[in-house]
Amino acid sequence: QKEVEQDPGPLSVPEGAIVSLNCTYSNSAFQYFMWYRQYSRKGPELLMYTYSSGNKEDGRFTAQVDKSSKYISLFIRDSQPSDSATYLCARGADRGSTLGRLYFGRGTQLTVWP
Amino acid sequence: EADIYQTPRYLVIGTGKKITLECSQTMGHDKMYWYQQDPGMELHLIHYSYGVNSTEKGDLSSESTVSRIRTEHFPLTLESARPSHTSQYLCASSPPGRRGYTFGSGTRLTVV
Repeated sequence: QKEVEQDPGPLSVPEGAIVSLNCTYSNSAFQYFMWYRQYSRKGPELLMYTYSSGNKEDGRFTAQVDKSSKYISLFIRDSQPSDSATYLCARGADRGSTLGRLYFGRGTQLTVWP
Repeated sequence: EADIYQTPRYLVIGTGKKITLECSQTMGHDKMYWYQQDPGMELHLIHYSYGVNSTEKGDLSSESTVSRIRTEHFPLTLESARPSHTSQYLCASSPPGRRGYTFGSGTRLTVV
């Protein structure tokens, strides 16, 4: 069973749309969750992170975690062509052999067209 | 600006050649990682290090080896490249605690 399930898309939306990207995870031991953005021919860059259930907002981006259903989401408001990238969810744990390590989903490819 | 550097960015090499992918970071991070990334697939951890002289194999079986003689340097070596090694290789580092990774821009390797 994969640790993180993420729909790879591709997802194509018009400029200004609200985008919803989602991941599910299987192991309740994970305490924190991150979203990375990866532009073509670049390495992933940290976009947002959250340690608890609920919402965390940063500008046009909102990260949401529902630990009861093991579901994490990233919402992008007023999407822009510059948001076109692959978005990867990741999760980590504080305990055990996985200390400090992150496990990544396969990424969702997003295209925002003008 | 990148604080973690990978060279080369692109490499095309023949089967059987020995190659070393370089990774250096200037942030003083103890933890460093090598991931393999193929299109549409999860990032797979192939090696990691929690400090100088500490290296471990990751989740994905790999024929590569790594070394960590200096904190800032974490090279990955393939003794005999094969077409199955064709992939993108990403190096990353992280500070202590619940902190994210900083990734390099990757090395795109093609073995012909």
